[in-house]
This record gives sequence, structure tokens and C-alpha cells, in this order.
Amino acid sequence: QVQLVQSGAEVRKPGASVKISCKTSGHTFTNYGIGWVRQAPGQGLEWIGWISDYNDNRQYAPRVQGRVTMTTDPSTNTVYLELRRLTADDTAVYYCANSHMVAGTGVFYYYGLDVWGQGTTVTVSS
Amino acid sequence: EIMMTQSPATLSVSPGERVTLSCRASQRFSNNLAWYQQKGGQPPRLLIYGATTRATGIPTRFSGSESGTDFTLTITSLQSEDFAVYYCQQYNNWPWTFGQGTKVEIK
Repeated sequence: QVQLVQSGAEVRKPGASVKISCKTSGHTFTNYGIGWVRQAPGQGLEWIGWISDYNDNRQYAPRVQGRVTMTTDPSTNTVYLELRRLTADDTAVYYCANSHMVAGTGVFYYYGLDVWGQGTTVTVSS
Repeated sequence: EIMMTQSPATLSVSPGERVTLSCRASQRFSNNLAWYQQKGGQPPRLLIYGATTRATGIPTRFSGSESGTDFTLTITSLQSEDFAVYYCQQYNNWPWTFGQGTKVEIK
């Protein structure tokens, strides 16, 4: 079965960058993508982006656009999230989550985020 | 961006009761909506996708429905393990967006 294992907690100063990893395993086929969701302390879920090599698609939330880059390393089945110019508002638990995809005629179909990583805590503090 | 509004923010219920959680979208879209359950300190768990389809292993007491821009998660006969926060999420348009959540607490 699909599993996602994330890298450990990070502490950064304001203005710095952080790069989080999400190692995937158990995929039988390549028709999937990885979404990134964060949750600030005591707050709800915030979708911040999506990456899929299946259809070469990357999408970023407007709130982090310009500061975020999502990449993949197919050789290690690892997905990365890099966030730059960090502020205290970026303090959160960051989750990666899997969604499988089916190709239709000119469209792709998704099925929710069905497998989640354990979360990576990022703390931004001076 | 599609805004998702959940109501109520908090629901106090007794075990065994029937619970209905609401999620309203700012614009109409097809059934690309999911419901998640989250318990303290844990990642969310997918309950429903496609607005009405239960994810693998989800008990039949959880069901989803849709009517126009309104989506509903119903839990029949609430169990002790169901006390949690529930989120809806649309994945029809980029950026995907979540509702702010509904906390189901013990009355």
C-alpha cells in the first residue's frame, strides 16, 4: 500500500528557507500526484500546492506563489517542498498527501487526498 | 478561487445521535469534493470523495450528499471515536481549497 514518510522538524529564522521531503513508496503505477497541506497551530487546513510527474503539473496556492517550489526525484521516489523568505506566519505542520489520478479526454480526474504523511513541523522564530 | 464555508463551527452532540455537517461552495462545480476527519495531533483521514463515495475502510455510518453548491456529511449514530474536526475540500478548480472545519464535540 502507498506510504508517505516525511522529513523531521525544522527551525528557521525569519527570511530563511526550508526544504521538506516526502518519500513515497508502494505505488504500483505512476498515475498519482502529491499535494501539500499545512496547518498553523490551532488552525484549520490550508492547501498550498500540488505536483505530479504523471501529467507534468505543478500548482501553487496564491498565498505562497513566488516563494514556493515543489520538485520530485524519481530516482528516490521523493517529493520536495521548498519555501523561501519565511515569516512567522509560515509556522505550521506541513503534510504531504497522495491522490491518484485517472486520465480522461483532455482532463484528469482526482479522488481526494487518500494517504497522508505524518507531518513535518516547521517553526519560524527569531 | 472557490471558497468553501462550513457550518456550524462547533457541534455538541451525544453518542448515538445523528449528525449533519454542512459545506457550501462559493460557486457551483461537479462532484469533486472530499470530506476529511482529523483528530488531535494526527494527519487528516479521507472519509468521502466524489461528494458521495466512501473511501476504503470507512464505516457505512458516514455518508455524503450534494445539492447545487451545498454539500453534506452525515454521520448516523455517532460513535465515541467520531469526535473530531471535519473538513470539506474542493478539488475541482485550482487552487484546491478547504473549508475552515467543524468540530464535533461531546455534549
